[in-house]
Amino acid sequence: QQQVKQSPQSLIVQKGGISIINCAYENTAFDYFPWYQQFPGKGPALLIAIRPDVSEKKEGRFTISFNKSAKQFSLHIMDSQPGDSATYFCAASIEGGSYIPTFGRGTSLIVHP
Amino acid sequence: NAGVTQTPKFRVLKTGQSMTLLCAQDMNHEYMYWYRQDPGMGLRLIHYSVGEGTTAKGEVPDGYNVSRLKKQNFLLGLESAAPSQTSVYFCASSYFGTGEEKKLFFGSGTQLSVL
Repeated sequence: QQQVKQSPQSLIVQKGGISIINCAYENTAFDYFPWYQQFPGKGPALLIAIRPDVSEKKEGRFTISFNKSAKQFSLHIMDSQPGDSATYFCAASIEGGSYIPTFGRGTSLIVHP
Repeated sequence: NAGVTQTPKFRVLKTGQSMTLLCAQDMNHEYMYWYRQDPGMGLRLIHYSVGEGTTAKGEVPDGYNVSRLKKQNFLLGLESAAPSQTSVYFCASSYFGTGEEKKLFFGSGTQLSVL
């Protein structure tokens, strides 16, 4: 059973456009939702994260939108740039106790110049 | 400050051979993890450790063993490699407790091919 479902699997956007990646989760005990960015040949790295006490978090061109009632969260990349081309993973975890995040299957983003 | 270091970076095995992947972290993190990454499957947890001398199974533990004899090292072993274990393997570490940006620190990966 896939606890965190991520879509789309791949995404192609023109430079300057908006990239949107969606995730949905099952476990209502999840209370921490990070997004990781992975460039080819590298390990993933934390991009931005949100906790359910807020509905939105913005860092530069990257925004997480969170809908607790729908158990969904999404990553928006404004003014997408070719340098944003990477694989993006959403994740969910329970902060109390052992930190074992569950990852979505990833979205391969290509931003055309 | 090296962070998380994985060795080797590449390896080719024949079916039935054994090998050990080494992960070392210099951040004094309590938690360490081994993931495998396959196309379309994302990151799947193989085993993890919440402290020196302790290990636990993740989502896909079959065919793998781990050991954490020292806090800074986490070893992943394949006793009898199978083609299904062809993958990119990532080690990660994390600190215990909550924080503003709780996160995993990943190594750069090991590309393993089993022929």
